[in-house]
Amino acid sequence: AQKVTQAQTEISVVEKEDVTLDCVYETRDTTYYLFWYKQPPSGELVFLIRRNSFDEQNEISGRYSWNFQKSTSSFNFTITASQVVDSAVYFCALSEERTDSWGKLQFGAGTQVVVTP
Amino acid sequence: DADVTQTPRNRITKTGKRIMLECSQTKGHDRMYWYRQDPGLGLQLIYYSFDVKDINKGEISDGYSVSRQAQAKFSLSLESAIPNQTALYFCATSAGLAGGTDTQYFGPGTRLTVL
Repeated sequence: AQKVTQAQTEISVVEKEDVTLDCVYETRDTTYYLFWYKQPPSGELVFLIRRNSFDEQNEISGRYSWNFQKSTSSFNFTITASQVVDSAVYFCALSEERTDSWGKLQFGAGTQVVVTP
Repeated sequence: DADVTQTPRNRITKTGKRIMLECSQTKGHDRMYWYRQDPGLGLQLIYYSFDVKDINKGEISDGYSVSRQAQAKFSLSLESAIPNQTALYFCATSAGLAGGTDTQYFGPGTRLTVL
């Protein structure tokens, strides 16, 4: 069963618009970690953020912000004032703390963001 | 220089051929991973290794094997390649400092095409 759902396959915006990427996860564990990665057209995967299940504070890093809500099992990602360089596929991922899940980073299918000038 | 390198970056091969993909890292991490990426499916874990003597199967290990030659090297082999193994393959590493949930850092990927 899919544990991480990224319902948006593709989002197209015009430069300077804000864009929010949804991520909904499923786990029975109380301790888990959530991640976001960026995959630009060049293909590499770039780590953006790691957040544990006990820290529900929103986080901001430059134009990037993350909204973690345990009540809705969501970890959404917003790019403010988007730029063409933000065009990429963005992946949300889940890692569960229990021993039999160690190392098993479970990815969503990804959301393609297209930013046009 | 990149912390995680993969060779080759691109490979085209024929059905039935044996292929080896190599991964090296200079991050000093104990843990290494192999994933494959297919369009629309995210990444799926093939194998992972928490140290040189520890190898574990991931979600989709059938048709693949691995070798952890050293702390810094982890190779993935396709003993007899088939077309549905055409994909983008990623190697990743992690420090192993946070149980099983530490951040994984990815190499640049190897694009494999099996004809």
